[in-house]
Amino acid sequence: DIQMTQSPSSLSASVGDRVTITCRTSQGISNNLAWFQQKPGKAPNLLIYGASTLQSGVPSKFSGSGSGTYFTLTISGLQPEDLATYYCQQHNTYPLTFGGGTKVEI
Amino acid sequence: EVQLVESGGGLVQPGGSLRLSCAASGFTLSDHYMDWVRQAPGMGLEWVGRTRNKANGYTTEYAASVKGRFFISTDDSRNSLYLQMNRLRTEDTAVYFCARAHCSGATCPWEEDYFDNWGQGALVTVSS
Repeated sequence: DIQMTQSPSSLSASVGDRVTITCRTSQGISNNLAWFQQKPGKAPNLLIYGASTLQSGVPSKFSGSGSGTYFTLTISGLQPEDLATYYCQQHNTYPLTFGGGTKVEI
Repeated sequence: EVQLVESGGGLVQPGGSLRLSCAASGFTLSDHYMDWVRQAPGMGLEWVGRTRNKANGYTTEYAASVKGRFFISTDDSRNSLYLQMNRLRTEDTAVYFCARAHCSGATCPWEEDYFDNWGQGALVTVSS
């Protein structure tokens, strides 16, 4: 199985900050990586697919990069509504696997 | 508008069975790969399994933790997805989400195989 290592597991930032979350995979997955945002008590919501393609309707404050085994999600201009847990997920090999999550606190 | 609505969750004893449903609207379920993902209380997301679409014969894949106990099926006439869970264990306690994979048609390359829509989830509690 492909192991997904997200860091940090949690972070605290201020309104307006720029934050970066990293996701490392135990094997190369090309750019077959998605990022999801999950707000408390809600279902996950797709932010980024293909490592860097913004899903329709998602604000451009979210951006993704990376390929192979190293990926990042950056949130620019952090706002209170960005309080959530963020997950990376590889869609390259079965079983599909998720990172452990990064809880973002404002 | 794409909508996925899960139902059928509840309390079940260890060793028991339960069937979850996921009613789809706004698209034809048989066109898409469909998945189940679960989340234990306070924990992260875990992929449970998937059914490929009708064009690919509704073949299935499962996580090792549920293989041989959980079974995914569909009903085209109801545009619905199901998760039959047997021999349930306490560690199966979780919110179960159905999720749609973006790709449709006869081929689903990995680049298009991401979850673009999720249901709101159904809570399954396995406890005596």
